[in-house]
This record gives sequence, C-alpha cells and structure tokens, in this order.
Amino acid sequence: DGGITQSPKYLFRKEGQNVTLSCEQNLNHDAMYWYRQDPGQGLRLIYYSQIVNDFQKGDIAEGYSVSREKKESFPLTVTSAQKNPTAFYLCASTRENTEAFFGQGTRLTVV
Amino acid sequence: GQNIDQPTEMTATEGAIVQINCTYQTSGFNGLFWYQQHAGEAPTFLSYNVLDGLEEKGRFSSFLSRSKGYSYLLLKELQMKDSASYLCAVRGTGGSYIPTFGRGTSLIVHP
Repeated sequence: DGGITQSPKYLFRKEGQNVTLSCEQNLNHDAMYWYRQDPGQGLRLIYYSQIVNDFQKGDIAEGYSVSREKKESFPLTVTSAQKNPTAFYLCASTRENTEAFFGQGTRLTVV
Repeated sequence: GQNIDQPTEMTATEGAIVQINCTYQTSGFNGLFWYQQHAGEAPTFLSYNVLDGLEEKGRFSSFLSRSKGYSYLLLKELQMKDSASYLCAVRGTGGSYIPTFGRGTSLIVHP
C-alpha cells in the first residue's frame, strides 16, 4: 500500500540537543511539507520542497533544517536553536492538484 | 498571504446536523479542502471544492462561494465518532500547491 511514514511516533529531546524526524513516502509525490501543530492550534508550515534538492522556508523555519536528497525522503532536524520545540510534527505530501496526504505524526517533547 | 477563520469549538447532539463555517482571504485561490483530525492523529481528507457549489459525499457535504470567500462543511446524522477537529485549508496560486490551514473547529458530539 502506498503511503507516507513518519518515525518515531514519540521523541524526547534534551536541552541543547539536535534531533531528526524521519518522513518517507512511496506515493511518487513531488511536493513534501513539514507542519508543526501546538495544542488548540492549526498547522503551521515549517519547510516545504517541491522537487529533489530544493526546499523553501515556510512561516516558522527558524530553528529547523531539512534536506531533500531523494524524492521519497524529507527529514526534518530540530536544532538547539529552536527554543520551544515541544509540539506535534506532521509531514505531508501532494501531487499536482491533489489533496495532502499526511504521515501519522511525531510528538516531540523536551525533557 | 492567506487568512483563514473558523469557529474554535462547536457542540451538537447525536443524530443532528451541524454546519461548520470557514471564511478566507487569499491573494490567489486554487481550491479549498476540509480535513478531519482526531486527537493525536493525522488529518484525514474529507472534501475538496474548487468551483462554487455543493459537493456531497455520504453524510458529509461541503459548499464553496469564491466571491464571498466562504465555505461550510455540513455533517448529517451525527455520530459520536464525529467528535474531532475539522480543519479548513486553502491552496493558493503561483505554481505551488501549499495548503494553508485554519486553526480548526473542535466538534463535540454528545448523546
């Protein structure tokens, strides 16, 4: 079955530590996105990529970094520069003029 | 830019009908999506409108008026499992397919 997979489901980060969230899709979608969701909030765009080896900042990119070396993969690194990283992170992908397909999310907590 | 507004919370009775409104202001419009999100889970696609009018899909219908920047999601024969957050998302123009999400409407269905 085609889909989009995020891992891990739960992640704990110590202060000052970088962590990487994985996102893989086998839908052959060109565009991939990372969103952050805080309690009672909508989805806010962190980064997006429309093609391999190219990505753009979204509305809240500070403290995050991404790469897009393969069409299937779009990992997100939460760096120590992100001062309030505790949130629910969602990866999504789309093809031209289709709805977004989401992974199951990663809940990141700072300990 | 895009601005999307929807009510924060609504309550309804099992078996009833509920209408969730969404208004938007956007510099370009290329479709409006509705998603359902249960707590701690990924959003799932419900409906897509790009032309004015009503789209019906089982118990769920979605309406769009582009001239008014307005959409609604209509849920009929409410069930307890419909208790969830409903997200309105608008896709802009300009060569990207990035959906911008509203904050979501938390629907509580009670017996």
